[in-house]
Amino acid sequence: ETGVTQSPTHLIKTRGQQVTLRCSSQSGHNTVSWYQQALGQGPQFIFQYYREEENGRGNFPPRFSGLQFPNYSSELNVNALELDDSALYLCASSSSAGGGADTQYFGPGTRLTVL
Amino acid sequence: AQSVTQPDIHITVSEGASLELRCNYSYGATPYLFWYVQSPGQGLQLLLKYFSGDTLVQGIKGFEAEFKRSQSSFNLRKPSVHWSDAAEYFCAVGRPNFGNEKLTFGTGTRLTIIP
Repeated sequence: ETGVTQSPTHLIKTRGQQVTLRCSSQSGHNTVSWYQQALGQGPQFIFQYYREEENGRGNFPPRFSGLQFPNYSSELNVNALELDDSALYLCASSSSAGGGADTQYFGPGTRLTVL
Repeated sequence: AQSVTQPDIHITVSEGASLELRCNYSYGATPYLFWYVQSPGQGLQLLLKYFSGDTLVQGIKGFEAEFKRSQSSFNLRKPSVHWSDAAEYFCAVGRPNFGNEKLTFGTGTRLTIIP
């Protein structure tokens, strides 16, 4: 069974640029959630995708957007990067949404540095 | 809105000693509760979870946690720590009946093990 994978591992961008982060969900999982973890903090929920639709969103501006594909992989896009966007971005996959005791399994993360 | 408090930012324990990491939550009903561990620069690994039933839950690596509704707590324990347990530990709350779409994390407790 393949776990959650993310790419790239590290990324350096400059202010104002755009970035795309990718996540492949664990086999058998149909739901992907994205989290931002700033240095020294706990992860903060960005949004979740279930069956290619956004299924919940945290307190992040619209320049954070996402996609989920038919194979349940997902992308996180961030436009107009700001210095405060520097963080570890974590993807988590789970099975089912809309009720039920589903557990989120995390990938290794993408470390984004904005200069 | 749900919230999680981990009162101890940093704990130092001798190898072989017992460990208890504190977690208090705020939620209107019984939440789903999780403990995750994060090694430096890595993603989150699930240690254990509570959804319902027996309030003492067993996890991986010899960890256990006890849900105490009256105290709104979900403390993590281990009878004898190993040097490999040094890491950051996060308690998280999920919302039943909302597809568990959002996990709210505490700020983490960093565990240092001394010989």
